[in-house]
Amino acid sequence: EVQLVESGGGLIQPGGSLRLSCEASGFTVSSNYMSWVRQAPGKGLEWVSVTHSDGSTYYADSVKGRFTISRDNSKNTLSLQMNSLRAEDTAVYYCARYDTLTGRYFDYWGQGTLVTVSS
Amino acid sequence: DIVMTQTPLSSPVTLGQPASISCRSSQSLLHSDGNTYLSWLHQRPGQPPRLLMYKISIRFSGVPDRFSGSGAGTDFTLKISRVEAEDVGVYYCMQTTQYWTFGQGTKLEIK
Repeated sequence: EVQLVESGGGLIQPGGSLRLSCEASGFTVSSNYMSWVRQAPGKGLEWVSVTHSDGSTYYADSVKGRFTISRDNSKNTLSLQMNSLRAEDTAVYYCARYDTLTGRYFDYWGQGTLVTVSS
Repeated sequence: DIVMTQTPLSSPVTLGQPASISCRSSQSLLHSDGNTYLSWLHQRPGQPPRLLMYKISIRFSGVPDRFSGSGAGTDFTLKISRVEAEDVGVYYCMQTTQYWTFGQGTKLEIK
């Protein structure tokens, strides 16, 4: 069974840093595209970052230069390092697998972890 | 960037009746490989999104056949043939032809 479990969220002051983790089971992170998608309180979905095993990474303009996506294949884990956090980064952050073999879709999602940026 | 626009933003429906949600993209979603990468997701309150449909009309594993998708190019539709109570929530269309963009969401609620 495929499962994704995020952790690392919390309350952080503007300008601070936070590292989110996503532990995967039921498949190997190393051979899949993986992504982070966020949802501000009461708002819609916004893709944040995508990474593939070939090392390619993609970032939304809103986080480029501040966030870094990475994976630890030995732990089957995806991470998101978030620096220079702003109030507008407040959101639930979801980890999702991005399947590109059959249709280029986000097929499995974690429950999400809440990041609150506030003084 | 491709912009996805959904209508309506809110849809009150009666149980057992059909429902329809439209999604329009600012440019064609037809990829050079011949596929159109348009998917639909459903998010119940307090839950993560879940995939319903991909490549316009293919139902994901476990999705009931009362859900159907159609469209081409820039105009797409998600239809529910007979709405059930568990269908409430927000529906998002999403394009993955050129990077990734979500629609703003359509809230389905029971009258």
